[in-house]
Amino acid sequence: NAGVTQTPKFQVLKTGQSMTLQCAQDMNHEYMSWYRQDPGMGLRLIHYSVGAGITDQGEVPNGYNVSRSTTEDFPLRLLSAAPSQTSVYFCASSYSLGIVDEQFFGPGTRLTVL
Amino acid sequence: TQLLEQSPQFLSIQEGENLTVYCNSSSVFSSLQWYRQEPGEGPVLLVTVVTGGEVKKLKRLTFQFGDARKDSSLHITAAQPGDTGLYLCAGRVDKLVFGAGTILRVKS
Repeated sequence: NAGVTQTPKFQVLKTGQSMTLQCAQDMNHEYMSWYRQDPGMGLRLIHYSVGAGITDQGEVPNGYNVSRSTTEDFPLRLLSAAPSQTSVYFCASSYSLGIVDEQFFGPGTRLTVL
Repeated sequence: TQLLEQSPQFLSIQEGENLTVYCNSSSVFSSLQWYRQEPGEGPVLLVTVVTGGEVKKLKRLTFQFGDARKDSSLHITAAQPGDTGLYLCAGRVDKLVFGAGTILRVKS
C-alpha cells in the first residue's frame, strides 16, 4: 500500500496563476481532507469529503475548490493564487469520522506564491 | 484564536532529560489525539484517548486525558535524539481541530 500520495512535492506560482494539487489514497477510505500548515497556526482544515460526490467547507475554504469524483482521488484547486496561500498543504484520509479514527497524512506539498 | 493551546511552543533539552507538553482548551472533546511530525513529512498518529482521566503509555511516552476532557498532556521520560520533532495535539468536536504544535529538539 502506498497510503496517501501527494504531487507535486514543491511548487512555485506567480500571483494569479492557477494549479491543482493532487491527492490519492489506496486504503479505500471514505473520508478525505485538505489542511494547510503555517508556522504557529497548526493544521487548518480547508475542505473535506465524506465520500465520492460529497464535499464540504472547512475552517479556511476561501480561494480553494475541491471535487471528489472517485473514492481514491481528492484534488485541491487554486483558481487564482495569492501570496497568502503560501503554505504547506497536507492531504489526509481516514476510514470514517469516528472519534478514534486515525488520520493518515500524505507527505505534503510546499507551495510558494510570489 | 486557537481552540487548542499547546505549550511550550519550543523545547530544547539534553538527551536523558524528562519533559511534559501540554494541550489545553475551554471546549470538551469526544476524543483527543497526539501526532508526531518530522521535517518534510506528514503527521503520524501516536495515540488516541477517549475517556476522561485516561492514561496511555507508549514505551517512554505517557499520555493523559484530563478528567473533564478539555486538556491533555504528553510526558516523555529520558528523551532521546530520535524523539526530536513537532508534536501536535488534535481534539475532536464535530471535526478534528489541531493545536499549533510543540517543536521538540533533543540534543545528544
